[in-house]
Amino acid sequence: EAQVTQNPRYLITVTGKKLTVTCSQNMNHEYMSWYRQDPGLGLRQIYYSMNVEVTDKGDVPEGYKVSRKEKRNFPLILESPSPNQTSLYFCASGFRDRVNQPQHFGDGTRLSIL
Amino acid sequence: SQQGEEDPQALSIQEGENATMNCSYKTSINNLQWYRQNSGRGLVHLILIRSNEREKHSGRLRVTLDTSKKSSSLLITASRAADTASYFCAADPGYGANSKLTFGKGITLSVRP
Repeated sequence: EAQVTQNPRYLITVTGKKLTVTCSQNMNHEYMSWYRQDPGLGLRQIYYSMNVEVTDKGDVPEGYKVSRKEKRNFPLILESPSPNQTSLYFCASGFRDRVNQPQHFGDGTRLSIL
Repeated sequence: SQQGEEDPQALSIQEGENATMNCSYKTSINNLQWYRQNSGRGLVHLILIRSNEREKHSGRLRVTLDTSKKSSSLLITASRAADTASYFCAADPGYGANSKLTFGKGITLSVRP
């Protein structure tokens, strides 16, 4: 089954404790992206990657890191999480070398930073 | 800044009625996409309309695009309680160096049984 898988789905942690949210897709997509969703602010892009070893900042990259060492994986790293990073996070993937292709989303990761 | 802006922010209708949601965007696009999000879940792609198209249908969904006004509308006909969800439009500038979908803040649709 074609899917985008995020782990964990839920995480409660404390300020300053490094964490990684994994994202994996099995559709051979070149493009992967991370979003955060906050009430009243909609979806905001954190980072995206057009292909392996190519990453770019989105609209709200501060406090986050990503890597794209393999085509299928795009982990989101919070080196020193803070309470303002409490949010619902989504990973998405798609074909970007083909026009008019939608993105596929994971089910989300709800992070609470205390 | 948000490329897509939906209107209204919230919509409540009776089952069987039609629901119309609007979206405006700011710059040139290759296509405009609509997504649905059930509570606590990821976004699911509903329909995509290309910049050279004016109207598209998919089941009970009808989407229109007016590139001169930089706006799109999504019509859900004969709504059902199961259509209750948030709906997002996303403007796609197409493939390029800064290519990314930009989402609006979403419309919350409630369909009363």
